[in-house]
Amino acid sequence: GAGVSQSPSNKVTEKGKDVELRCDPISGHTALYWYRQRLGQGLEFLIYFQGNSAPDKSGLPSDRFSAERTGESVSTLTIQRTQQEDSAVYLCASSLRQGVGEQYFGPGTRLTVT
Amino acid sequence: KQEVTQIPAALSVPEGENLVLNCSFTDSAIYNLQWFRQDPGKGLTSLLLIQSSQREQTSGRLNASLDKSSGRSTLYIAASQPGDSATYLCAVSPNSGYALNFGKGTSLLVTP
Repeated sequence: GAGVSQSPSNKVTEKGKDVELRCDPISGHTALYWYRQRLGQGLEFLIYFQGNSAPDKSGLPSDRFSAERTGESVSTLTIQRTQQEDSAVYLCASSLRQGVGEQYFGPGTRLTVT
Repeated sequence: KQEVTQIPAALSVPEGENLVLNCSFTDSAIYNLQWFRQDPGKGLTSLLLIQSSQREQTSGRLNASLDKSSGRSTLYIAASQPGDSATYLCAVSPNSGYALNFGKGTSLLVTP
């Protein structure tokens, strides 16, 4: 079975542009998580979905960040009006359901804002 | 707020040595603890998951222990190999069981 996949693997964008990052979780995993890893720092939790609902959005760093999930499958993380401090690796993970079992991570999307 | 600390930040050992990586956390009300490895430019690979009711988990040459009351976990790697070189991350899940709180990792280099 396929693991978690993310696209694109790398994205370079100019400051002020919007970007969309995509995550395909493991089939059958109802819980999906987004994290961010900035250079030299630990992973920060951004948001999680149980099904298509996001009960906790408190980890999103600003209102420029939003995420959605459809069909209990694919999720997109959108960053509007990107800033240089948004440069990071964005990692997606999925698990069978909230709090159950391991979280399996995708390879990440490396975002560079110039 | 849960704080996760990993010591040491970096470690270099010759091939064949046994080694211990340490993880501590400030809030003992955890749901589980997970150890990951991260290779440069790659995502995270889950190594071991310990539920809060468990004391240890083993997988091959890896053994992870958990002492919830003292807020500590260790990852023991036996007979280290150059292929073990990577960054090892410790993460704890709160009782609500979703977001993982990560340490900054231990960067391990095993030299031939």
